[in-house]
Amino acid sequence: SQQGEEDPQALSIQEGENATMNCSYKTSINNLQWYRQNSGRGLVHLILIRSNEREKHSGRLRVTLDTSKKSSSLLITASRAADTASYFCATDASGNQGGKLIFGQGTELSVKP
Amino acid sequence: SQTIHQWPATLVQPVGSPLSLECTVEGTSNPNLYWYRQAAGRGLQLLFYSVGIGQISSEVPQNLSASRPQDRQFILSSKKLLLSDSGFYLCAWSAPRGRVLGPTGEAFFGQGTRLTVV
Repeated sequence: SQQGEEDPQALSIQEGENATMNCSYKTSINNLQWYRQNSGRGLVHLILIRSNEREKHSGRLRVTLDTSKKSSSLLITASRAADTASYFCATDASGNQGGKLIFGQGTELSVKP
Repeated sequence: SQTIHQWPATLVQPVGSPLSLECTVEGTSNPNLYWYRQAAGRGLQLLFYSVGIGQISSEVPQNLSASRPQDRQFILSSKKLLLSDSGFYLCAWSAPRGRVLGPTGEAFFGQGTRLTVV
């Protein structure tokens, strides 16, 4: 079964607004990662947050992690039309032996100019 | 710098035909390698991952198999394709975990292969 589950499944906002996406997972993790995918392309890594971190920033991205609730959120501030893409969380479960990353179902973000 | 190559970009195959998708990585040694499948509008399903030559872990029992004949080569195969094998196949790599197993870092993805079984 998939480890990460994002919500909402789809999000439509106006340029300049903030976009928030959430991810829930089931097991203990080493870290949680967020990726972006443009339509029909491969995924691009955005940000990684370790299990002992609570918040991390990268440019207009802000990620939070709550290990007690097994959830994370990705905030994109001052969104742009170019942010239109699908966003996925991925978890590296602690104790796993193979370095596997499990992805969620993703949130499809549409930013209207 | 590290790069990942995945080909072909698109493929149309008849039901019952064999499949071979290849992925190679340059600029790193002993990477973790992954094959994912993505159905239209859905998330990524992990199919296989490998931490070394000849070491393959299968996540989902199905009509596919994977092999790692060389350190930086990962091949996805099928002897007879089914209609349900259609999808977007993505290869990825991440840094090796080292002698002491540690957390997995970011994964780097190829551009994907869109497979249509007809």
